[in-house]
Amino acid sequence: NAGVTQTPKFQVLKTGQSMTLQCAQDMNHEYMSWYRQDPGMGLRLIHYSVGAGITDQGEVPNGYNVSRSTTEDFPLRLLSAAPSQTSVYFCASSYSSGDEQYFGPGTRLTVT
Amino acid sequence: EDKVVQSPLSLVVHEGDTVTLNCSYEVTNFRSLLWYKQEKKAPTFLFMLTSSGIEKKSGRLSSILDKKELFSILNITATQTGDSAVYLCAVEAGTYKYIFGTGTRLKVLA
Repeated sequence: NAGVTQTPKFQVLKTGQSMTLQCAQDMNHEYMSWYRQDPGMGLRLIHYSVGAGITDQGEVPNGYNVSRSTTEDFPLRLLSAAPSQTSVYFCASSYSSGDEQYFGPGTRLTVT
Repeated sequence: EDKVVQSPLSLVVHEGDTVTLNCSYEVTNFRSLLWYKQEKKAPTFLFMLTSSGIEKKSGRLSSILDKKELFSILNITATQTGDSAVYLCAVEAGTYKYIFGTGTRLKVLA
């Protein structure tokens, strides 16, 4: 099992560019989520999904889109990057609600 | 607004000391509370608590939840340098909707 994988590990974008952060899991988990982690702010939930075809917004969804067409994949799209989106992004998955979450290794994104 | 507050923000101790980390919460739909350890990379799971007063234990780490007073504590006894990390508390406030605290940064000196 690879667990939760994220690509890329690092990315630099210019303001206004768009990109997709990839997240995949091979544990057949129904639940997946995206977080951003900024210094002194802890992890903040961006979007989450409780199954294929179902997504919902977390605390900080503005500027991000998600879709969940398969159980395995949960990509995060930045529509028009802004310097405020400079952060470390973590994807996580779990078998069920209330179960432990498995986190991917993170993507460090810098927007200039 | 749902919130999770951890204290202290940071802590420096010597090997062998015992530490207690605190997590208090105010959420409208509490389902569970989880503790994670984060070293340089992704958080790793420590405990999940759903019932008051039942201690969860794993080696030198233990945790307990008080649903009446809305807090949890994480204890680490006989600390080691390998315990140095950020400890995160998260509350599930609705189905799969997790609110994280800002974390407690623990540094254990040899």
